[in-house]
Amino acid sequence: KAGVTQTPRYLIKTRGQQVTLSCSPISGHRSVSWYQQTPGQGLQFLFEYFSETQRNKGNFPGRFSGRQFSNSRSEMNVSTLELGDSALYLCASSLYVGQPQHFGDGTRLSIL
Amino acid sequence: AQKVTQAQTEISVVEKEDVTLDCVYETRDTTYYLFWYKQPPSGELVFLIRRNSFDEQNEISGRYSWNFQKSTSSFNFTITASQVVDSAVYFCALSDTYGGSQGNLIFGKGTKLSVKP
Repeated sequence: KAGVTQTPRYLIKTRGQQVTLSCSPISGHRSVSWYQQTPGQGLQFLFEYFSETQRNKGNFPGRFSGRQFSNSRSEMNVSTLELGDSALYLCASSLYVGQPQHFGDGTRLSIL
Repeated sequence: AQKVTQAQTEISVVEKEDVTLDCVYETRDTTYYLFWYKQPPSGELVFLIRRNSFDEQNEISGRYSWNFQKSTSSFNFTITASQVVDSAVYFCALSDTYGGSQGNLIFGKGTKLSVKP
């Protein structure tokens, strides 16, 4: 069974640009969550989607947004990139909300 | 407030030693879940275990064991006879329903375990 797939694996952008990251959950999983990992702040929750609806959002500015499609695939978008957005962005999927989350390899975003 | 504390930032042991990783949590909920994840150098977070707040039975899986004590709000993880392949960062996490937050994980800062041959 294929795991959570995140694309791209690496991304380099400059300040002010925007970026879209993609996540394909494990087949059959309907809940998708996004996390940001940085050396300073650790792992922080961004948002969670279930059946195309955002159920929960972490404490991040409005520049961070996401969506989920009918096939459960999810995208997250960051607009007007700042240097502090450099991080590993991890996507996780689970069968339902509250079930164990299984993570992808992440997208490493570097802002120059 | 919800919080997970992993006081040990880094631990270094020699192969075959036993090692315990500490995790203390805070939550107002009576129903919650606790997790441990392993993050090897490759970066992917690997799920190890989930326990719910009503099940205080300790669990053993091979060389891994977990001790859940509600009285001290702790969920400690022990690796017996450690191996070099156990070297990774280990995260403890909490999921509860406070403020409608069920589903998102609150992570500790992680403990970096280095197992030397």
